Parts: sequence; C-alpha cells; structure tokens
Amino acid sequence: DAGVIQSPRHEVTEMGQEVTLRCKPISGHNSLFWYRQTMMRGLELLIYFNNNVPIDDSGMPEDRFSAKMPNASFSTLKIQPSEPRDSAVYFCASNFRPRSAVATRANEQFFGPGTRLTVL
Amino acid sequence: GENVEQHPSTLSVQEGDSAVIKCTYSDSASNYFPWYKQELGKRPQLIIDIRSNVGEKKDQRIAVTLNKTAKHFSLHITETQPEDSAVYFCAASRGGGGNKLTFGTGTQLKVEL
Repeated sequence: DAGVIQSPRHEVTEMGQEVTLRCKPISGHNSLFWYRQTMMRGLELLIYFNNNVPIDDSGMPEDRFSAKMPNASFSTLKIQPSEPRDSAVYFCASNFRPRSAVATRANEQFFGPGTRLTVL
Repeated sequence: GENVEQHPSTLSVQEGDSAVIKCTYSDSASNYFPWYKQELGKRPQLIIDIRSNVGEKKDQRIAVTLNKTAKHFSLHITETQPEDSAVYFCAASRGGGGNKLTFGTGTQLKVEL
C-alpha cells in the first residue's frame, strides 16, 4: 500500500496567488482529514470528510480556504488568495470509519507526507 | 469543543532514563486517546493509543495510562534511546462522532547520550 499521497510536497508562491493542495487517501478508507501545522498553533484540524461528505469545517480559518472531495480517492484544499500567514505544512490523513449507526470505535489516522507551503 | 493541554513542551533526558508526558482533556465524552510521534521533517505516526474502557496499555518500552475521572492521560517511555528524540503529540476523540482528533501542543523530547 502506498499510504496517503499528497502533492505537491513543496509549494512556494506569491501572495495573492491561488494554491491547490491534493490528497489521495489510502484505498478503502472513507474518512479524510486536512490539518495545518505551524510552530505557533501546532496541529490544527481544518476540515474532515466522511464518505466524501464534509462533516466539520469549523477549523477552516476563513473563506479563502475551501476543500472538496469529489470521489473516494481524491481531495483538494484550495487557498485563494493566499497570504504569507498561510505558510505552514499541510497534512492530509485518512482512516476507516465503520458505517454503523451505533457509536463506532475510532481508528488510527494515517498521515500523508505533508505539503510545505511558503507564501512570499 | 474539546481542549487538550500537554506538558511539558520540552523534555530532555539522559539515555536510559524514563520520560513522561502528560495531557489533560476537557470533553468527558472523549473515549479514544492516541499518541503520535513526529520526527523532524516527517509526518506524525501513531505509536500507541488507548480507549476509555481500559486504564493502561503497554507496548514494549512505551505505556499509556488513562484516568477518566481526572480526565488526564500520560505517555511513559522507559529506557530511552537517542532514536526516541522527536516531538510527541497526544490527542483525544469521541470516536463515535466521526473520529475528529483534537491534538495537544506537542512535547519536544531530546534524549542525550
């Protein structure tokens, strides 16, 4: 298994430009998470999807951030327009959440290698 | 929402000594508590986790304890080795609510020779 795949691994852009980060979860996983990591704020959950549906986007910092999951094997996180304070490492993670309506057991989240974003 | 506090922020130990990292959580409904290790420039990786139906779990040199009443849990690493040097994150989740993890702020562990 290739694990969670993210692209690009590094992105350097200028303020005001649009940035698109991509993620391919582990095959068979049905939950996908986008995190942002900075020295100041640590690991923050931005948004997560269950079965391609956004469940909680309360961590998305502002309207400049948007995320989509058009199918079970692909998700994007877009920043438009980008600002220097968006500079961070963005991680995507995935896991499998059983569909049972009864309270389910959480399972390990597998992280991708991350995208290091620098906005000049 | 959930709030997870983690202490200390940095920890330096001599090789062979033990290291203890502590976390507290606020949401009494949280029932899943994983610990992640992140080496410099790498992704976080799960090293051990514990669910609310047990008080302690051990895996070789690593153990985690959970006190539900006090809402705190701890990571214990015995016989530390230089390769244990990394940032360690605790996290908490309700589990059944969608697996949303709330992370602590991390502990930089340095194991000195």
